[in-house]
Amino acid sequence: DAMVIQNPRYQVTQFGKPVTLSCSQTLNHNVMYWYQQKSSQAPKLLFHYYDKDFNNEADTPDNFQSRRPNTSFCFLDIRSPGLGDAAMYLCATSRGDGGGSYEQYFGPGTRLTVT
Amino acid sequence: AQSVSQHNHHVILSEAASLELGCNYSYGGTVNLFWYVQYPGQHLQLLLKYFSGDPLVKGIKGFEAEFIKSKFSFNLRKPSVQWSDTAEYFCAVRGYTGGFKTIFGAGTRLFVKA
Repeated sequence: DAMVIQNPRYQVTQFGKPVTLSCSQTLNHNVMYWYQQKSSQAPKLLFHYYDKDFNNEADTPDNFQSRRPNTSFCFLDIRSPGLGDAAMYLCATSRGDGGGSYEQYFGPGTRLTVT
Repeated sequence: AQSVSQHNHHVILSEAASLELGCNYSYGGTVNLFWYVQYPGQHLQLLLKYFSGDPLVKGIKGFEAEFIKSKFSFNLRKPSVQWSDTAEYFCAVRGYTGGFKTIFGAGTRLFVKA
C-alpha cells in the first residue's frame, strides 16, 4: 500500500544534541509537510516543500531546518533541541495540483523526548 | 489571524447516541474544509472533506458534515455512534493567507461507552 513512513517512531535526545527525523513516501506526492503537535494541541505547521521549493512558516524557530533530497524523502533537523521541543512530529503529503482536493496523508509520527 | 475552533475538547457518549462536533473558522474567502480522525494507536486519516458543491458532505463510517458559509461552520455529525468511533477528531481548514495554508483545530477526543 502507498503510504507515508516515519522513522524512528520514538526518539530520545539530549538537550542541545542535534537530532534528525526522517519521512518517506510512496505516494509520489509533490508536497511534503512537517507538523509539530504537543499534547492536547492542534498540529502546528513548521514548513512544507512544494517540489523543491521550501516554504517556512513565519513563526518556525531557526532551530528547525528541513531537507528534501528527492521526491520521496524529507528530513527534519533540530539543531539544538530544547525541553520545549519535546512533541510529536508529523509528516504529511499531498498532491499540489488540486487533485484529491488537497487532502493530506499523514505518517504515524515520531515522538521526540528531550532529556 | 486565521483560526479554527473546536469547542468540545472531550465528549463522552453511550453507543447509539447521536454525535455533533462543532467546528468554526475565521478565514475569509474560499476555503476547503476537512475532518480528520485519529483512532487509538493509528495515524491521522481523512474522514471527509468539502471542496465545492453540495454543502452536506458524507464521509466514511456514516459520518457527515455540513458547511454553513454564513456561520463559518463545518460541524461533524453521526446519527448513532459505535464503540469503534472512539478517537480524536480534528477539523482543518485550507484557505489563502498570502499563500495557501491548512490550519487544524485543537481536536476533540470522543469516548464511546459500550
